[in-house]
Amino acid sequence: QVTLKESGPALVKPTQTLTLTCTFSGFSLSTRGKRINWFRQPPGKALEWLARIDWDDDKFYNPALKTRLTISKDTSKNQVVLTMTNMDPVDTATYYCARIGSYTYGSLDDNWGQGTLVTVSS
Amino acid sequence: IVMTQTPLSLSVTPGQPASISCKSSQSLLHSDGNTFLYWYLQKPGQSPQLLIYEISSRFSGVPDRFSGSGSGTDFTLKISRVEADDVGVYYCMQTLQLPFTFGGGTKVEIK
Repeated sequence: QVTLKESGPALVKPTQTLTLTCTFSGFSLSTRGKRINWFRQPPGKALEWLARIDWDDDKFYNPALKTRLTISKDTSKNQVVLTMTNMDPVDTATYYCARIGSYTYGSLDDNWGQGTLVTVSS
Repeated sequence: IVMTQTPLSLSVTPGQPASISCKSSQSLLHSDGNTFLYWYLQKPGQSPQLLIYEISSRFSGVPDRFSGSGSGTDFTLKISRVEADDVGVYYCMQTLQLPFTFGGGTKVEIK
């Protein structure tokens, strides 16, 4: 059974750096073709893709946020970490990690964490 | 790639059909012949759940009341008979190229 769970602070102050951890189980990120994505969703608004890290350590970022984002993985811990610098109140959102777009034994993967709400406020 | 969904909201009587449109600013057809258009449903307070991928393939466990169609830049999600459990916000998403992008969402409620 595949599970993903996001963890991190619920409240950060403006200008601080946010660090979120996605802890997953049921698969290995060292397996060829596997990848983890981060998304976010401001309250009442649409989803936004943030970043992706692949099994071979390739990393991809949303160009609109590229200068502020860093994604990394610790395969031994089954964790992916996303950092976002210089947080602003507009970054208040629910942040999700998800395994999408890969295949396991011919079946499409689509697994999401429950999301974690991050509020940016002084 | 900009994704545009219509309508913004739908109020549907149980048992009646519903249809949601999604248009992309460029073709989502890949050189391998696949078209990378997904449909998600986000129920209140939940994470998104995949309904349809590559225009018309139903994801595992998705009822056959849900169907997808379209090509190139124009896509449609249809629910043949809406049930109470179908309420939530529906999103189309393109995965042809990064950054993945979503439509603005269509909120479906029951009359």
